Amino acid sequence: RKEVEQDPGPFNVPEGATVAFNCTYSNSASQSFFWYRQDCRKEPKLLMSVYSSGNEDGRFTAQLNRASQYISLLIRDSKLSDSATYLCVVNNGDSWGKFQFGAGTQVVVTP
Amino acid sequence: DAGVIQSPRHEVTEMGQEVTLRCKPISGHNSLFWYRQTMMRGLELLIYFNNNVPIDDSGMPEDRFSAKMPNASFSTLKIQPSEPRDSAVYFCASGRGGSYEQYFGPGTRLTVT
Repeated sequence: RKEVEQDPGPFNVPEGATVAFNCTYSNSASQSFFWYRQDCRKEPKLLMSVYSSGNEDGRFTAQLNRASQYISLLIRDSKLSDSATYLCVVNNGDSWGKFQFGAGTQVVVTP
Repeated sequence: DAGVIQSPRHEVTEMGQEVTLRCKPISGHNSLFWYRQTMMRGLELLIYFNNNVPIDDSGMPEDRFSAKMPNASFSTLKIQPSEPRDSAVYFCASGRGGSYEQYFGPGTRLTVT
């Protein structure tokens, strides 16, 4: 079983709609969680960190559910520019720099 | 500000040849990471350095791979000899110690024929 699992999608979303997807992690000792965004043939870029209490950044909301070992990302009022692959990233804390990346969830926003 | 710089951006080589990938981290960052991305396996951490010292190389596939960081502004990832299964995009990323945010370079697309 992979340490970090994501639904690969694609999630086809009409412009203006809301889309949400999850990422599950297997190591209950995981301590830090992030969402990165990767455009086609580009490098990943940090979208947001995920805090225990949940956090919001504009149209993006991230949540953490430690009991069920998943994090989620919700995008409201989707824009065409939100089309990308969203990578879930987990750090289990035993090695500071050892980040586990999920395979990514593809989101396609259509006009 | 200059981001992470990687060279070459594309490399095509024949099986058995030595390949050297280069990375210049963002000035002031003291952590450096090498990743490999393929369709099959996604993004995998190969090795990371902190203050030029290799901290965890457990992701390095085998002895054919080696990485060095001789100073704070330069790192190399070497594959010798290269094999077709090494074909992938290799990313270098840097960050500040204590911060989890990583800044990725544009990647080197390696094709081994």
